[in-house]
Amino acid sequence: QVQLQESGPGLVKPSQTLSLICSVSGGSISGDFYWSWVRQPPGKGLEYIGYVHYRGTTYYNPSLKSRVTISIDTSKIQFSLKLSSVTAADTAVYYCARRQKLSRGDAFDIWGQGTMVTVSS
Amino acid sequence: AILMTQSPSSLSASVGDRVTITCRASQGIKNDLGWYQQIPGKAPKLLIYAASSLQSGVPSRFSGSGSGTDFTLTISDLQPEDFATYYCLQDYNYPLTFGQGTKVEIK
Repeated sequence: QVQLQESGPGLVKPSQTLSLICSVSGGSISGDFYWSWVRQPPGKGLEYIGYVHYRGTTYYNPSLKSRVTISIDTSKIQFSLKLSSVTAADTAVYYCARRQKLSRGDAFDIWGQGTMVTVSS
Repeated sequence: AILMTQSPSSLSASVGDRVTITCRASQGIKNDLGWYQQIPGKAPKLLIYAASSLQSGVPSRFSGSGSGTDFTLTISDLQPEDFATYYCLQDYNYPLTFGQGTKVEIK
């Protein structure tokens, strides 16, 4: 059974770069999957950040596009998120998730447990 | 970006009740809509995709309907473990966008 696990610093200083890794276990990272990041500020709703495909294709939410990089390392079976020039507004729980085409449509069928990242000096 | 509006923002219900949550898209999205359940402190969990397809392993008391701009999630016979926040998500086009959430609380 495929599982996802986020890892990375829980505290990042303002103006620095937030870096997270999502490790994939129990299955292949090289398939028709869209390895994604979603975040949730404390007490608020969910925001889609973007995805990477194992072939290297990426998509970034325009609201974050200038600051986001999502990449994949198939040899390590992991993908990563980098968000530059962070501010307090980037404080959130960050989830990695797998999006794939199911029998009748696309969906995020597997999620990591989430990791809290606080931006503070 | 497509705006997804859920209603109500919160509701109180009792075990055994039938609960309906609606989600409206700012433009037509065919049936490219999913419903996710989030228990506090946990990751979202897929319930319904393609507007009405029940994800494997999800109890049949959850059902979804709708197409175009108006969608509904129904929970029949509400159970204690169903008290959570529910989000709709459109995946018709990018950027994918979530509704603001509907919190289902115990009456």
